[in-house]
Amino acid sequence: AQSVTQPDIHITVSEGASLELRCNYSYGATPYLFWYVQSPGQGLQLLLKYFSGDTLVQGIKGFEAEFKRSQSSFNLRKPSVHWSDAAEYFCAVVPRGLSNFGNEKLTFGTGTRLTIIP
Amino acid sequence: KAGVTQTPRYLIKTRGQQVTLSCSPISGHRSVSWYQQTPGQGLQFLFEYFSETQRNKGNFPGRFSGRQFSNSRSEMNVSTLELGDSALYLCASTGGDYGYTFGSGTRLTVV
Repeated sequence: AQSVTQPDIHITVSEGASLELRCNYSYGATPYLFWYVQSPGQGLQLLLKYFSGDTLVQGIKGFEAEFKRSQSSFNLRKPSVHWSDAAEYFCAVVPRGLSNFGNEKLTFGTGTRLTIIP
Repeated sequence: KAGVTQTPRYLIKTRGQQVTLSCSPISGHRSVSWYQQTPGQGLQFLFEYFSETQRNKGNFPGRFSGRQFSNSRSEMNVSTLELGDSALYLCASTGGDYGYTFGSGTRLTVV
């Protein structure tokens, strides 16, 4: 079955430390890949997305993600976290190869809650 | 450009009532999709509309319905509300680049 897995429910990181959030997917073909961030009580903000090409994707707020086909992974990284990065992070996928964009649903992982300690 | 606008931001309803939520997409975007977010089930797809037509539907009971108008604004309706319908309802608008842009959501509380 097609699925998206975020193995870490909760991660705590010291401010200024590096961060890596894991995402694995199980699809027949490599899907389109996304990372979203959600602050408490807010909607989802797109951090970055991967469709094709360079496997290292740069996003907003200093985040990047690396697509590894061999591992079916799309991990999110940040070299130095700030207190404002505390939020919940969601990995999401859409099946590739659609004729009409948007009509396929985003399938989300269960999310990783990030806590930053001073 | 303006983002995705969802109204209202908060709602409190009583069991058995019905509710209508609104979503105005980014100008020029013709696809609007709806998601329900709960602590137990996470983010689940409700349905998607494009040019006033529902193209895709998630696994929700018929109490959940939606529509889209000619200006691409969309509404979703939940009839005969249950306690379990309490959730954050998010809509996303999509342009030609698979950029799913979400609104801030409507927090529905059923009491």
